[in-house]
Amino acid sequence: EAQVTQNPRYLITVTGKKLTVTCSQNMNHEYMSWYRQDPGLGLRQIYYSMNVEVTDKGDVPEGYKVSRKEKRNFPLILESPSPNQTSLYFCASSSTTGTGSYEQYFGPGTRLTVT
Amino acid sequence: AQSVTQLGSHVSVSEGALVLLRCNYSSSVPPYLFWYVQYPNQGLQLLLKYTSAATLVKGINGFEAEFKKSETSFHLTKPSAHMSDAAEYFCAVSSASKIIFGSGTRLSIRP
Repeated sequence: EAQVTQNPRYLITVTGKKLTVTCSQNMNHEYMSWYRQDPGLGLRQIYYSMNVEVTDKGDVPEGYKVSRKEKRNFPLILESPSPNQTSLYFCASSSTTGTGSYEQYFGPGTRLTVT
Repeated sequence: AQSVTQLGSHVSVSEGALVLLRCNYSSSVPPYLFWYVQYPNQGLQLLLKYTSAATLVKGINGFEAEFKKSETSFHLTKPSAHMSDAAEYFCAVSSASKIIFGSGTRLSIRP
């Protein structure tokens, strides 16, 4: 089954304790992206990757890191989480066509609470 | 710069009534436009997309949207609402490497 998986689905942590949210896709997609969803703000892009070893900042990259060492995986790293990073996080992937018309496939989400 | 505005954070309709969710966009180049749906505790899934082939786009579950360049709009409609349509709906505009989402509209269906 074609899918994007994220782990963990739920995470409660404390300020400053490094964490990683994993994302994996089995569709051989070049493009992967991380979003955060907050009430009234929709989805905002954190980082994206057009291919292996190619990553770029989205609209809200501060406090986050990513890496793309393999095509299928795109982990999101919070080196020193803060309460304002409490949010619902989504990973997504798509096949790039170079025209922007590609559909994105979303993971089920990770609900992160930082106390 | 591209942007998306969804009018109405919450829309409530009766079962069987017309659903109309509004989306206006801003784009300096011909846009690619999408509607995604998010059911409770799930990720987003594509309802439909406009890629300049036809101005009236049909999607899944009986939804459709019409691209109107003169009005910079891409409103989502369904002739007859069903209880299972209750969800949050996001309009989005895309360029080659970036997609911008609207703030979302929560659709409630009254029995």
